[in-house]
Amino acid sequence: QVQLVQSGAELKKPGSSVKVSCKTSGGSLRSNAFSWVRQAPGQGPEWVGGIIPVFGTITYAQKFQGRVTITASGSPATIFMELRSLTSADTATYYCVTHKGDEMADVAFEIWGQGTLITVSS
Amino acid sequence: QSVLTQPPSVSGAPGQRVVISCTGSSSNIGAGYDVHWYQQLPGSAPRLLIFGNTNRPSGVPDRFSGSKSGSSASLAITGLQAGDEADYYCQSYDTGVAGPWVFGRGTKLTVL
Repeated sequence: QVQLVQSGAELKKPGSSVKVSCKTSGGSLRSNAFSWVRQAPGQGPEWVGGIIPVFGTITYAQKFQGRVTITASGSPATIFMELRSLTSADTATYYCVTHKGDEMADVAFEIWGQGTLITVSS
Repeated sequence: QSVLTQPPSVSGAPGQRVVISCTGSSSNIGAGYDVHWYQQLPGSAPRLLIFGNTNRPSGVPDRFSGSKSGSSASLAITGLQAGDEADYYCQSYDTGVAGPWVFGRGTKLTVL
């Protein structure tokens, strides 16, 4: 069973950047895909972007294009998400998740990390 | 404004059956794409509850069931228990600008 352990909560100033990590372990990670999903207080989840480390394929939600970078390194992989030009609207819990389903149209988010609270405030 | 529409809240007494709806459009559920459901207990990360419209991951009780028809999907919970009190979210694939993966805003289930 894949496990995802994320880095701790952060308080950031508006205009700054944040980089969140997600350490993976267990299970077969060779072909796993990972995404970052965020959830603002009292809101539903929102997909930010995803990566398939073994293929180096990376996709981002249009809303975050140009402001987010997802990378992976190591084996087993550690997944990173960097979000730049932060505003108060980016205050949310960010989750690292694994994909279930081989085709994009079938994807559900199977395993969730514990979440990382990013607070943006002056 | 979410692409998938859910009722903000539902409630039921212990032992009863409740149904949570998820309404989409021709760019997601109505196009035939699968619907998945998540349960989020207070203070916890979401948990995959139903995938591929009707399938339960290992460990999910058969009191939880999913269905889909046209542009809508439903999550039914029978034999309601106090521990089922949580937020429930639907998710699907979407071909619009919000995609490729979109969620509903969630439904708060209160067990009376």
